[in-house]
Amino acid sequence: GNSVTQMEGPVTLSEEAFLTINCTYTATGYPSLFWYVQYPGEGLQLLLKATKADDKGSNKGFEATYRKETTSFHLEKGSVQVSDSAVYFCALSDYNNNDMRFGAGTRLTVKP
Amino acid sequence: KAGVTQTPRYLIKTRGQQVTLSCSPISGHRSVSWYQQTPGQGLQFLFEYFSETQRNKGNFPGRFSGRQFSNSRSEMNVSTLELGDSALYLCASSSGLRGGGDEKLFFGSGTQLSVL
Repeated sequence: GNSVTQMEGPVTLSEEAFLTINCTYTATGYPSLFWYVQYPGEGLQLLLKATKADDKGSNKGFEATYRKETTSFHLEKGSVQVSDSAVYFCALSDYNNNDMRFGAGTRLTVKP
Repeated sequence: KAGVTQTPRYLIKTRGQQVTLSCSPISGHRSVSWYQQTPGQGLQFLFEYFSETQRNKGNFPGRFSGRQFSNSRSEMNVSTLELGDSALYLCASSSGLRGGGDEKLFFGSGTQLSVL
């Protein structure tokens, strides 16, 4: 079945550091890929998405490129801020399955 | 446009009891999905409802059930509660259309269930 594996956390960075959170997936079809973010005490919010190979999703300085050859969708940001501290979830949705599968989540803490 | 609303926000129950959680989706959305979030297991898919029909189900025991009403509001029920059912239960709504890259989910803030 479909599944998502993402980098275990927690991740602690200093402000303005470069961020990478790895995500790989297994899918039988042609999934759409997503990154969601969860701030403390809140539900998940969509951060960015990509629907086909080589697409790049971007939002708020975050980027992720859909790599079919490596089945990956790594999240990157060039310069993190304290306000980026949250839990990040990689997810996929397959046309053939009526559910969205999430990775375990990676907690990011950014220190001033 | 109002977001996804979940009630109650917090709930404390004891083992053996049953509980019902409620979710009101974004207006116009026909799909409601439920997830269980725990520190150890992450986000686990429970089930999805679309136009009052259960469209898909995750790997949870039959104690977990749900339903969806004609106005798209959804309820989730857990019977014979166990300590391990303590978790944040998240509801998400979407248009329900598949395959067009429009699978974006909108999440509520969740119901934090504690089983004592």
